[in-house]
Amino acid sequence: RKEVEQDPGPFNVPEGATVAFNCTYSNSASQSFFWYRQDCRKEPKLLMSVYSSGNEDGRFTAQLNRASQYISLLIRDSKLSDSATYLCVVNKGDSWGKLQFGAGTQVVVTP
Amino acid sequence: EAGVTQFPSHSVIEKGQTVTLRCDPISGHDNLYWYRRVMGKEIKFLLHFVKESKQDESGMPNNRFLAERTGGTYSTLKVQPAELEDSGVYFCASSQVGPGQGPDTQYFGPGTRLTVL
Repeated sequence: RKEVEQDPGPFNVPEGATVAFNCTYSNSASQSFFWYRQDCRKEPKLLMSVYSSGNEDGRFTAQLNRASQYISLLIRDSKLSDSATYLCVVNKGDSWGKLQFGAGTQVVVTP
Repeated sequence: EAGVTQFPSHSVIEKGQTVTLRCDPISGHDNLYWYRRVMGKEIKFLLHFVKESKQDESGMPNNRFLAERTGGTYSTLKVQPAELEDSGVYFCASSQVGPGQGPDTQYFGPGTRLTVL
């Protein structure tokens, strides 16, 4: 079983619509959670950290459910520029600094 | 402020040759990480430096890989001799936050795309 699992997609989303997707992680000792965005053949870029209380950054909302060990990302009012691969990233509790990546969820926003 | 830089951006070598990748972290970042993405797989951790010391090298595939960070500034990752399965994108990342100081936000460089023929 992978340590971080994501639906690879693609999620085809009309411009202006809302899209949401999850990832699950296996290590209950994980302490830090992030969503990174990766454009084709580019480096991952931090989109947002994910906190237990849930957090929002503009059109993006992230939620963490520790009991069920999943993280979600919701994108409202999708823009064409939101097309990318979204990487779910978890910091293992027993090895500070060592990030574990999911394989990514591809989102394609269409006009 | 300059971001994480990596050199070269691409490298094509033959099996058995040696390649050295370089990473310059964001100025002032004590933490430097190497990751690798093999085609079709997720990004995987290789190792973590705190200044010039190896904090965690549990992800290094085998002894053909040697990472150094002399002086605690830039880092090099040498693959010697390279094998076909070493092909992939090698990312470097850096961060500033120390243990217990909160979520460790890592900033990634553009990567080096290594192709071993």
